[in-house]
Amino acid sequence: QVQLQESGPGLMKPSETLSLSCTVSGDSITPYYWNWIRRRPGKGLEWIGYIYYGGRTNYNPSLESRVTISQDTSTNQFSLKLVSLTAADTAVYYCARMYGYNYPIDYWGQGRLVTVSS
Amino acid sequence: DIQMTQSPSSLSASVGDRVTITCRASQDIDIWLAWYQQTPGKAPKCLIYAAINPQSGVPSRFSGSGSGTDFTLTISSLQPEDFAIYYCQQYSSLPITFGQGTRLEIK
Repeated sequence: QVQLQESGPGLMKPSETLSLSCTVSGDSITPYYWNWIRRRPGKGLEWIGYIYYGGRTNYNPSLESRVTISQDTSTNQFSLKLVSLTAADTAVYYCARMYGYNYPIDYWGQGRLVTVSS
Repeated sequence: DIQMTQSPSSLSASVGDRVTITCRASQDIDIWLAWYQQTPGKAPKCLIYAAINPQSGVPSRFSGSGSGTDFTLTISSLQPEDFAIYYCQQYSSLPITFGQGTRLEIK
């Protein structure tokens, strides 16, 4: 059974850089698509981006200038970095897996609430 | 970006009711649509993929239909555990986008 677990700070200040990690157990991260998705208060789900196949990435154009997703195959983790935070980045951040391109999301982490406040 | 529009945004229903939620894509996405259920404090769970295919372990009361731009999720007989938020998602092209959600509440 594949399991994902987010980790990282829960409270950030405006202009800071958010770093979240996702630890994957039950399977290797190498063959699949690994996503970051967020749910902002009162809003729906927003896809941030994914990493796949040896470190290739795709990002949502709305966030692309501020986002970096990376992976560490030795620890079976992938990470999100989001710079220049504002209050609008307050959200629950989920890591999630897609089996491949044109596949739905089949495994999700429990989510990590990140609040951006001065 | 492909915009996904769900209706209704909220819905009150009773146990045993038949419920239908619709999702419209702003352009043709073929069959590349999934439905997710999210209960409070939990991660979303995939119910339906490729528009009509139930994910393993999903009760048979959940069904999906549609292709192109118009899609439907139907719950044939609501159970107490079905009261949740439902999202559609297109994965035809990047960026992946979701509908705004439909909150299904107990009447």
